Amino acid sequence: AAGVIQSPRHLIKEKRETATLKCYPIPRHDTVYWYQQGPGQDPQFLISFYEKMQSDKGSIPDRFSAQQFSDYHSELNMSSLELGDSALYFCASSHIRGSRFFGPGTRLTVL
Amino acid sequence: AQKITQTQPGMFVQEKEAVTLDCTYDTSDQSYGLFWYKQPSSGEMIFLIYQGSYDEQNATEGRYSLNFQKARKSANLVISASQLGDSAMYFCAMRETLNTGNQFYFGTGTSLTVIP
Repeated sequence: AAGVIQSPRHLIKEKRETATLKCYPIPRHDTVYWYQQGPGQDPQFLISFYEKMQSDKGSIPDRFSAQQFSDYHSELNMSSLELGDSALYFCASSHIRGSRFFGPGTRLTVL
Repeated sequence: AQKITQTQPGMFVQEKEAVTLDCTYDTSDQSYGLFWYKQPSSGEMIFLIYQGSYDEQNATEGRYSLNFQKARKSANLVISASQLGDSAMYFCAMRETLNTGNQFYFGTGTSLTVIP
């Protein structure tokens, strides 16, 4: 069965650079979620989209933005990267009230 | 207050034995969902099992079962016949369905180590 696809799987950036993470949800899933998981922490919700509209907002910094496109893929844009942004970034997808299936994650390292 | 509490930061189990990972939750919603995810060292988050608040029977998926005790607000994960590949972090999560959307909460996780 098709799963959530995230790219890239690993990303290394320097401070103050920008990064774009991509997520391709499971086909026919209408909701996409972004999470950030720091080392040894549980995932923290950043933002979600339902049918291409932002549906919920969590602890997403102002330096980050996200959108969902007409083909339902989503991108998380991160600017002015800081050392503390180093984390595993998950995208998940679901039907609006269904089980959330997570992608493999993008491991971002900021040097 | 914590929405999801996992009191066992680390657990060990002998291979082929069963293990129970504890999870308690806090909600005033009548309709909610409970989830367990496995996160191996590779980092991916793998969906294991789901229990709806109105489901009368405990959910089961292969070697995974969810011991759902609604009155106690607990949703423990039972893994039977543990395998070495079960060594991972396990997260309990809850979805509340509110009028403004749906909220999803993770616990802090339990690190399970299966001993040969």
